[in-house]
Amino acid sequence: DTEVTQTPKHLVMGMTNKKSLKCEQHMGHRAMYWYKQKAKKPPELMFVYSYEKLSINESVPSRFSPECPNSSLLNLHLHALQPEDSALYLCASSPWGGQTNEKLFFGSGTQLSVL
Amino acid sequence: AQSVTQPDIHITVSEGASLELRCNYSYGATPYLFWYVQSPGQGLQLLLKYFSGDTLVQGIKGFEAEFKRSQSSFNLRKPSVHWSDAAEYFCAVGDYGGSQGNLIFGKGTKLSVKP
Repeated sequence: DTEVTQTPKHLVMGMTNKKSLKCEQHMGHRAMYWYKQKAKKPPELMFVYSYEKLSINESVPSRFSPECPNSSLLNLHLHALQPEDSALYLCASSPWGGQTNEKLFFGSGTQLSVL
Repeated sequence: AQSVTQPDIHITVSEGASLELRCNYSYGATPYLFWYVQSPGQGLQLLLKYFSGDTLVQGIKGFEAEFKRSQSSFNLRKPSVHWSDAAEYFCAVGDYGGSQGNLIFGKGTKLSVKP
């Protein structure tokens, strides 16, 4: 299994809703990432978990809350989002602790629309 | 600070023609360089990477890239483009010995392929 699986593929939510994005990998990878990608823009790093510990938080607003319950799962909890948070949210993993020379494996993303 | 420039926002080539996508980087030392491809609504897939050694790097899907330190460039090439190559291409640079979370992406080049 060489896949990173993200669910749901599409999500529409109101500004008062609470929802969660889920990411799963069974490659034994020890680093997992959340990226945000606006239309026609490159991905922007949000969070990195290395060995299930949050190692990078790129000054993301608190309405985004990551969680890594175990080495195979990564969640992104969403609450009180704004319309400008509408984007493609990408999960990725890499084999070791997240060193630069590792290959990133990306999921196909969750397309989020905030109304 | 590191930066990556992809001068071409959109390129159109005919199927079967050769392709070169440009990437220039700004970095004080030897960088880690990557090319990723993204099909619409999908995650990113690594095409190839350069860390050291041979400056001509072979990747998947028939792509190659050449690192030219004197020009601070890492251009992506393919001798004969297929319609399935139509996608967005991102060049990225990372810190030597740093974290994948520190990858800096260029703004991307959209490739269209005409029959």
